[in-house]
Amino acid sequence: AQKVTQAQTEISVVEKEDVTLDCVYETRDTTYYLFWYKQPPSGELVFLIRRNSFDEQNEISGRYSWNFQKSTSSFNFTITASQVVDSAVYFCALSGSNTGKLIFGQGTTLQVKP
Amino acid sequence: NAGVTQTPKFRILKIGQSMTLQCTQDMNHNYMYWYRQDPGMGLKLIYYSVGAGITDKGEVPNGYNVSRSTTEDFPLRLELAAPSQTSVYFCASSLGDRGNSEQFFGPGTRLTVL
Repeated sequence: AQKVTQAQTEISVVEKEDVTLDCVYETRDTTYYLFWYKQPPSGELVFLIRRNSFDEQNEISGRYSWNFQKSTSSFNFTITASQVVDSAVYFCALSGSNTGKLIFGQGTTLQVKP
Repeated sequence: NAGVTQTPKFRILKIGQSMTLQCTQDMNHNYMYWYRQDPGMGLKLIYYSVGAGITDKGEVPNGYNVSRSTTEDFPLRLELAAPSQTSVYFCASSLGDRGNSEQFFGPGTRLTVL
């Protein structure tokens, strides 16, 4: 069975701090895909990144970076120099190679205080 | 492109009432999905469709029905509303069914059953 665990329910930081959101996954598929979505207070889901299981290169996009480690089944997300606008719920999700169905973690609520 | 649109945005139902949540996408995507998001939880798949006339159950299908008569529309039907169906419902679509295909989400419908 596939499963995604986001052990951090809520994180609170002060603006400009760095913060890492953890994501651990379980799957028996050899090919799979990992995603991060952002859900701001307005409620919509915003796609942030997709990573396939064969690409373990870390990725950086502005203040965002992702660390994918197959050895520990983790796909962690770091925000550098956090801003108030980063306050949101962040979801990690997993899908297999032969289905687009997403398995979501429970989400981590990030609060960035000014 | 409007992307994925959902109506209504909010709805309050009484126990036992029925309603249809509408979902339309204008991206010519074959694959469409319905998820529900309970408070403090991640999204769970209700039903999905791989094309017009083809639908299948997801993780939590009980109490719901779907149909897919056109590529654009994927309505979700609640026949006998129950308080357990109080949730936020998201519709999504993707170009392909492989895990490497990004899902685009609608803005959500917030449903309360009293």
